[in-house]
Amino acid sequence: NAGVTQTPKFRVLKTGQSMTLLCAQDMNHEYMYWYRQDPGMGLRLIHYSVGEGTTAKGEVPDGYNVSRLKKQNFLLGLESAAPSQTSVYFCASSYGYWWQANPSNQPQHFGDGTRLSIL
Amino acid sequence: AQSVTQPDIHITVSEGASLELRCNYSYGATPYLFWYVQSPGQGLQLLLKYFSGDTLVQGIKGFEAEFKRSQSSFNLRKPSVHWSDAAEYFCAVAPGYSSASKIIFGSGTRLSIRP
Repeated sequence: NAGVTQTPKFRVLKTGQSMTLLCAQDMNHEYMYWYRQDPGMGLRLIHYSVGEGTTAKGEVPDGYNVSRLKKQNFLLGLESAAPSQTSVYFCASSYGYWWQANPSNQPQHFGDGTRLSIL
Repeated sequence: AQSVTQPDIHITVSEGASLELRCNYSYGATPYLFWYVQSPGQGLQLLLKYFSGDTLVQGIKGFEAEFKRSQSSFNLRKPSVHWSDAAEYFCAVAPGYSSASKIIFGSGTRLSIRP
């Protein structure tokens, strides 16, 4: 059982280049999330999805796009990378109403992160 | 709006000493509260969570946390730390009414262990 898998683990881009980060989960979770982690700022939500074909903006959505064409996958795209997007990106997934379904559920399951550097 | 404050950016304790990491939250009703741990190069792992009921919750790896409504706090404790506890710790809050399971994270406290 792999849980939440992020690819790639590391990437270096030049300013203006584009790329897509892939998140895949095998737990049949309805909800998926993309966060960025920067020193001293914790994790900030970029975008999230409450089901296949749906997406919504989080706290810091500018400069990013997402797609959820399949329930198990959540893609994060950078159309024109900027140095300010240098960060560690985490994907997470969860059941909807997780605490009602089973309070022992984890609220969110996290991947191991993607370290992205924009030069 | 909900928010979480972890006032200590970095704490160093000696191996075997007790530990307390502070967390304060801002939320109108009783929230769901969590502590996560992040080892270097890893994702976040849930240590413990509070929903309701007993205000002292036990977690994995010997950690516990106490919810104090009057102080809007949810401090994490461990009676005796081990070198393997060196990591970054995040306190987090989620509104109980939201189906989107959105979680708001604090800025984290980095724990170093002195041999």
